[in-house]
Amino acid sequence: EVQLVESGGGLVQPGGSLKLSCVASGFTFGNSWMSWVRQTPGKGLEWVADINPDGSGKYYLDSVKGRFIISRDNAQNSLYLQMHSLRVDDTAVYYCARDYIYLQFDYWGQGTPVTVSS
Amino acid sequence: QSALTQPASVSGSPGQSITISCTGTSGDIGGYDYVSWYQQHPGKAPKLIVCDVSNRPSGVSNRFSGSKSGNTASLTISDLQAEDEADYYCSSWTGGSTRVVFGGGTKLTVL
Repeated sequence: EVQLVESGGGLVQPGGSLKLSCVASGFTFGNSWMSWVRQTPGKGLEWVADINPDGSGKYYLDSVKGRFIISRDNAQNSLYLQMHSLRVDDTAVYYCARDYIYLQFDYWGQGTPVTVSS
Repeated sequence: QSALTQPASVSGSPGQSITISCTGTSGDIGGYDYVSWYQQHPGKAPKLIVCDVSNRPSGVSNRFSGSKSGNTASLTISDLQAEDEADYYCSSWTGGSTRVVFGGGTKLTVL
């Protein structure tokens, strides 16, 4: 059974930092492109970042470039999102997702909520 | 405002068919055959139900079908059932700096 389990979300003040983690099982993580996708009631679903299987290729939404860092540890079947300089509009549920091909996501985690507020 | 345009809501009775549209541009839907549809029940993660415009992942009911014409993609759900009541989102690869874009979502109500 495929599982993606996120953790690390929470309440943080504007300008703060947070690191999200996602542990994968049930598929060959080391061969998979992986992404973070966020969801807010107002803006719906939004792709945030993705990373290629060996971690050498990373891509970001323009609004998070320079603030967020996606990374992975294939030995630990884990995906990460380090978030710095958080803004109120980064508030969302963050999902870890596997990219089937061309950012079509066939497996999703349950999501971890991030709230940026003073 | 989402990059892809979907109707906010649609409704249908059990047994009927409904179609949800998703309109983009030549830079996304019109330019690539990497259009997906997701079903999301309240409090749950999205679930992929159509990929590559019209393919169904293993285990997805054949009551769900996808198509595309020009810059508009469509999801048709036939023989509506109560459990189909959910939010539906489309997405498309763009090839640009925003590599994938989503629609704003459509709430399906089964009357």
